[in-house]
Amino acid sequence: SQQGEEDPQALSIQEGENATMNCSYKTSINNLQWYRQNSGRGLVHLILIRSNEREKHSGRLRVTLDTSKKSSSLLITASRAADTASYFCATDAFGGGGADGLTFGKGTHLIIQP
Amino acid sequence: ETGVTQTPRHLVMGMTNKKSLKCEQHLGHNAMYWYKQSAKKPLELMFVYNFKEQTENNSVPSRFSPECPNSSHLFLHLHTLQPEDSALYLCASSHETGMGGYTFGSGTRLTVV
Repeated sequence: SQQGEEDPQALSIQEGENATMNCSYKTSINNLQWYRQNSGRGLVHLILIRSNEREKHSGRLRVTLDTSKKSSSLLITASRAADTASYFCATDAFGGGGADGLTFGKGTHLIIQP
Repeated sequence: ETGVTQTPRHLVMGMTNKKSLKCEQHLGHNAMYWYKQSAKKPLELMFVYNFKEQTENNSVPSRFSPECPNSSHLFLHLHTLQPEDSALYLCASSHETGMGGYTFGSGTRLTVV
């Protein structure tokens, strides 16, 4: 069954605005990761947050994790046209060794209007 | 380039053909993965190899056959595919703990005619 589910499915904002994407999941996790995919290309790892962490920053990215609600959010501040892409959350299920394969959601397609 | 190289980038094959997809990484990772990405569906994990041993096979049809000769190379052998197998096939690698995230290749766009 699908583990991660992103919300919204699509988001269009003006350049310079902040973009927020949400992810919900169903089972206990070791960590949650966010990835970006430009059209028809491979996925690029953005950030990883462990199950015992609540917030993490990397440049213009801010990720939060609420394990009680089984949800995460990705905030991109001061968006740029180059941020246009699909964003996926992925979970590493609890109990695995870490290299058992991540489970991905369907993604949020983000469009930054110049 | 991400450090994970997939070839070919594009492949068109008939339903009776046999072809292979290749993935190569020189990042020192010990785990490698095949994912299938179809339109409007989440990425589907197909196979996992950890230290060259297959540890996961998510009910993938036998017309897909993986091979991992060493920790740096991964193949996906294809035979008698169906049109619904047309998709983007992505290879990824990671440290055996999974920490640091997965590194993906650019994928092979497969079209079955």
